[in-house]
Amino acid sequence: DAGVTQSPTHLIKTRGQQVTLRCSPKSGHDTVSWYQQALGQGPQFIFQYYEEEERQRGNFPDRFSGHQFPNYSSELNVNALLLGDSALYLCASSTGNSGNTIYFGEGSWLTVV
Amino acid sequence: QKEVEQNSGPLSVPEGAIASLNCTYSDRVSQSFFWYRQYSGKSPELIMSIYSNGDKEDGRFTAQLNKASQYVSLLIRDSQPSDSATYLCAVNEDYGQNFVFGPGTRLSVLP
Repeated sequence: DAGVTQSPTHLIKTRGQQVTLRCSPKSGHDTVSWYQQALGQGPQFIFQYYEEEERQRGNFPDRFSGHQFPNYSSELNVNALLLGDSALYLCASSTGNSGNTIYFGEGSWLTVV
Repeated sequence: QKEVEQNSGPLSVPEGAIASLNCTYSDRVSQSFFWYRQYSGKSPELIMSIYSNGDKEDGRFTAQLNKASQYVSLLIRDSQPSDSATYLCAVNEDYGQNFVFGPGTRLSVLP
């Protein structure tokens, strides 16, 4: 039973560039949430996707956007990268309508230089 | 603004002792409470969830919830060096919606 998978695991980008991170949820899960975790801090909620729509959004600018595909996988896009976007980006999956426990993938480490 | 607070630590305990980790939250309508463990350089992994006032035990771990005091704690009995990690408290108001995480408490279990 595959858990939550994310790619890439590590990447380095330059200020102003754009990045796309990918996530496949745990088998049987239909809801994907994205979190940003800066060094020494707890994860911060970016947004959640369910039925291919953004269901809820945290306090992040429009430079952060996402998408969910019919197979429940998801992408996180960040435009016009800033140095402060350097963080661990975590994808979490859950079921949309029964229980609410979320399970994290291994994350994507983004460094902006 | 919902807030979850934890002591950042580090909390150091000797091997075999009980480690006590505490968390307070600001939103009285919070419904669900979770403890995650995060090893350095790794992603968070779920340890326990608790939904009702009182204690919930799972092996060496006990979660305690007091909604009136807006307080949740995690006790780790017979602490092992392998328990050394950052422990994140998370609170969820709406089922299936966003989780609010605390900053985490770093625990160090000394051999």
